[in-house]
Amino acid sequence: QVQLVESGGGVVQPGGSLRLSCAASGFTFSDFGIHWVRQGPGKGLEWVAFIGYDGRNKYYGDSVKGRFTISRDDSRNTLYLQLNSVRPEDTAVYYCAKDFRRYFGSGTGNALDIWGRGTLVTVSS
Amino acid sequence: DIQMTQSPSSLSASVGDRVTITCRASQNIGTYFNWYQQKPGRAPKLLISTTSFLQNGVPSRFSGTGSGTDFTLTITSLQPEDFATYFCQQSFSIPLTFGGGTKVEVK
Repeated sequence: QVQLVESGGGVVQPGGSLRLSCAASGFTFSDFGIHWVRQGPGKGLEWVAFIGYDGRNKYYGDSVKGRFTISRDDSRNTLYLQLNSVRPEDTAVYYCAKDFRRYFGSGTGNALDIWGRGTLVTVSS
Repeated sequence: DIQMTQSPSSLSASVGDRVTITCRASQNIGTYFNWYQQKPGRAPKLLISTTSFLQNGVPSRFSGTGSGTDFTLTITSLQPEDFATYFCQQSFSIPLTFGGGTKVEVK
């Protein structure tokens, strides 16, 4: 069964750090790009970051660029998101989501076809 | 960044109704466009990719059309399990961007 399971969420103070994990199973993890997407309380979806299948191509949303870092460990079938210098507006459920494709490129027809159940990050003092 | 404007933000409908949701991109994105369904407390689910390709297991009452800047999701005969929030998303360029969502509620 194809599955993604996030963990690592919790309460963190403004300015603090947290590392989220996403464990994959049921597919060849190293063959696909993976995204992080977040959803603030009662809000819509915001794309956060993407990492290509080989870990070389990484992209970030403007609101997290320079603060968050996406990485992957294919030996562990696990995706990570390191959150640094967090702000109250980073409070959200964070989802990892598998892409159709290995990498992102204009015209590659990317889509997020498998999602985890999410992990809640609350930034509060 | 490409802005995705989705409308309406909510609608009320009855079982059996035909429902149409639209999404407009701020620039030409070809057909690099997807639709997702989200139920309360659940992760989003990919319904349609590349404008019109139904994912495995998605009922044929769902369909997607459009190209360029204007896109439509149609549910031909709304079923009880279709009451949910629907999001559009462009995959033409980074950053990927989503519409604000359309909540389909019981009339």
